[in-house]
Amino acid sequence: DIQMTQSPSTLSASVGERVTVTCRASQSIRNFLAWYQHKPGKAPKLLIFKASTLGSGVPSRFSGSGSGTEFTLTISSLQPDDFATYYCQQYNTYSRTFGQGTKVEIK
Amino acid sequence: EAQLVESGGHLVQPGGSLRLSCEASGFTFRSYEMNWVRQTPGKGLEWISYINTNSDLKSYAASVKGRFTISRDNAKNSLYLHLNSLTDDDSGIYYCAREALDSSDSSLDYWGQGTPVTVSS
Repeated sequence: DIQMTQSPSTLSASVGERVTVTCRASQSIRNFLAWYQHKPGKAPKLLIFKASTLGSGVPSRFSGSGSGTEFTLTISSLQPDDFATYYCQQYNTYSRTFGQGTKVEIK
Repeated sequence: EAQLVESGGHLVQPGGSLRLSCEASGFTFRSYEMNWVRQTPGKGLEWISYINTNSDLKSYAASVKGRFTISRDNAKNSLYLHLNSLTDDDSGIYYCAREALDSSDSSLDYWGQGTPVTVSS
């Protein structure tokens, strides 16, 4: 199975800061990568698909980049609603896998 | 609007079995590939299983292969997950999630609210 490794595991940031989360795949997944936002007690929300395409209704401060094995999620200016856990997920194979998550906390 | 509603989660003893259901509405269920994903205590999201539209392609995570079975009934707009030989590590919230309709994309664009499973004696 393809392993997905996210870094950092936890990130402390202030409102207005630029935030970057990295996701590495154990082998090439082309651009078959999605990013999700998850808040406690709620359903996960799709933010980015095919590595860089913004999901429906997702604010433009979110962006994704990368291909092959290295990917990034960037929040250009962190907002109060953005404090959550973020996951990458590969779907290059029928055995999909998630990264372990990055929790974005208030500094 | 698309909606997914999971049910069937409850307290079960180790070694026990359970069937989770996910009822879909607001979209043409038979046209979409579906997945189950869980969040276990202290851990993140874990992809569990996938099924294609006509049920002839299924896949499972290594952690559940041979114990869990995914199925669907397109006439009832429903997705199922049969869980057998349950252990403490299977406790968590189980989500059903719909894959994007675009044939070039398999991201999970709609999720249910989840149903909790607790494995404990």
